[in-house]
Amino acid sequence: NAGVTQTPKFQVLKTGQSMTLQCAQDMNHNSMYWYRQDPGMGLRLIYYSASEGTTDKGEVPNGYNVSRLNKREFSLRLESAAPSQTSVYFCASSEDRNYGYTFGSGTRLTVV
Amino acid sequence: ELKVEQNPLFLSMQEGKNYTIYCNYSTTSDRLYWYRQDPGKSLESLFVLLSNGAVKQEGRLMASLDTKARLSTLHITAAVHDLSATYFCAVDRGYGGSQGNLIFGKGTKLSVKP
Repeated sequence: NAGVTQTPKFQVLKTGQSMTLQCAQDMNHNSMYWYRQDPGMGLRLIYYSASEGTTDKGEVPNGYNVSRLNKREFSLRLESAAPSQTSVYFCASSEDRNYGYTFGSGTRLTVV
Repeated sequence: ELKVEQNPLFLSMQEGKNYTIYCNYSTTSDRLYWYRQDPGKSLESLFVLLSNGAVKQEGRLMASLDTKARLSTLHITAAVHDLSATYFCAVDRGYGGSQGNLIFGKGTKLSVKP
């Protein structure tokens, strides 16, 4: 099925550990995004990539880095995880904002 | 700073009743989106509203946009249990020449009871 695929679906990290969340889309979209969702909140933009080779900070970028590996893949890295980064992370992609955005199924991350 | 406020945040309805969820936003924007999220699941796109006066309907849900009032509504007609979910509105911030700078409301958790 066409869409946005995220891995892993669940992850538990210890404080200070690092990890990379993977995201891939097969819809040939130019733009890709990473959001986080905390309880009782809407989603907040961490980083985005308007096209292959470009990335920009969103609303809450501190503690994260991203890589747009190619047109399909956009990864999110936590270099030194903190409990405040416990959240559900969603990747999304879009070709044209007039048609909206497609979200992945999410990665539930717990930092202990 | 763009802020998006939804109300109510919690809504318990009886099957067969009608209700409206409101989404207010604080600065000019020309695109507004409605999403549905089931527990533990991803966001499902419901509506994309692109202009003042836009109205879209899908089944028992109807969304409208008034850009002058900075208000969007999601109207539920004759609610059924399957509509139980959390509904988010999101407004496109639109800066930086990029798409996807969405500001989300906190969501409305809808529970439809028999």
